[in-house]
This record gives sequence, structure tokens and C-alpha cells, in this order.
Amino acid sequence: DAGVIQSPRHEVTEMGQEVTLRCKPISGHNSLFWYRQTMMRGLELLIYFNNNVPIDDSGMPEDRFSAKMPNASFSTLKIQPSEPRDSAVYFCASNLIGGGTEAFFGQGTRLTVV
Amino acid sequence: GENVEQHPSTLSVQEGDSAVIKCTYSDSASNYFPWYKQELGKRPQLIIDIRSNVGEKKDQRIAVTLNKTAKHFSLHITETQPEDSAVYFCAASKSTGNQFYFGTGTSLTVIP
Repeated sequence: DAGVIQSPRHEVTEMGQEVTLRCKPISGHNSLFWYRQTMMRGLELLIYFNNNVPIDDSGMPEDRFSAKMPNASFSTLKIQPSEPRDSAVYFCASNLIGGGTEAFFGQGTRLTVV
Repeated sequence: GENVEQHPSTLSVQEGDSAVIKCTYSDSASNYFPWYKQELGKRPQLIIDIRSNVGEKKDQRIAVTLNKTAKHFSLHITETQPEDSAVYFCAASKSTGNQFYFGTGTSLTVIP
């Protein structure tokens, strides 16, 4: 397996534009996480899905952020409209439900909003 | 949700010395505690983990201890080497729910 795959690796966009980040979890994994990493706040859990269903989105900063998982092999994180303070590295991770299993991270998407 | 605190935020040690990073968690139902290493510009990767039915686990130069009563766990790296320089994250997770909450990270620098 190629691991967790995220796209794009880098994204530069202007303030106010819509941004969509994509993630393909490891085949067979049934839980998917979205994290945001900044120097100030570290790794923040934004949302996670179990069996494609959002379980906890309390980490989503505000209504400008939304996430979907239409099937077991694909998830998106959308920011609309984007703001400079959204600049960060966004990681997707996946594992098997049940706890006690390693979460595998994708390479991350470095987002810069100018 | 779970609150994971990690200390120190930065740590510098001489090559060959030991490094200790400490974390506390708030949810007594958490039962899985992994540690991740993140090198500059790369993804976090698991280096060791411990479950709540175990008090200590060791893998070569790396060890983790868990005190369930006090709700804290620690990472110990012995005989540090320059390639140990990275950011280390602790995390807490539980079987019911499966969410992973991370500490804020410790930037470890090993000075040759």
C-alpha cells in the first residue's frame, strides 16, 4: 500500500478563495482524521470519521471549514473563504477503529493564504 | 474532549546523554498512548506506543512509562544521537470513539 495520500502537497491561494484538500486513507482503514499543524498550536484535531461518518467535529475552527467523506477511500477538507490565519500544514491520518492502533499520517498539505 | 499536555516544549542535550519528555492526560478512559517523531518537513511517524494494561515498554534506546493513577506518561531516550533531533509528540486515544489527541510537541536537539 502507498500509505495515506494527500493532495496537493503545496497550495498557495489568495484570501477569500475556496481551498479543497484531499486525502486517500490506507485501504482497509475505517477511521480518518484531519489535523492542522502550526508552530503556535501544534497538532490540532479538526475532525475525524469512523466508517465515513463524522464523529467529532468540535475542532473545526468555524463555519468556513467543512469536511466530507463520501466513501471509504476519499475525504476532503474545504475552506471557504480562506483567510491568512488558515495558513498551516494540514495532515490526514487513518487507522482501524477500536483504539490501540497506530494512526498513519499522510505527507501533509502546506497551505499558504496570501 | 481529551486534554493532553506535554513538557518541555524544547529540550537540548549533549550527544550520549538521556532525554525525557513528559505528558499528562485528562480522560481516565484513554487507554492507548503513542509517541510520534516528526523530522523537519516530514510527517509524524510512530516510534513507540503503550497500552493502559502495561506500565513500561522498551525498544532499544527508547522507553515509555505510564502511570494510570496519576494520568501521566513519559518518553525516555538514552544514549542520544544527532539523528534523534526532531519534534516528538505524545498522544492519547481510547477504544470508544477512537479519537487521537496530541500534545503540543517537544523540539529535541542533540548537540554533537
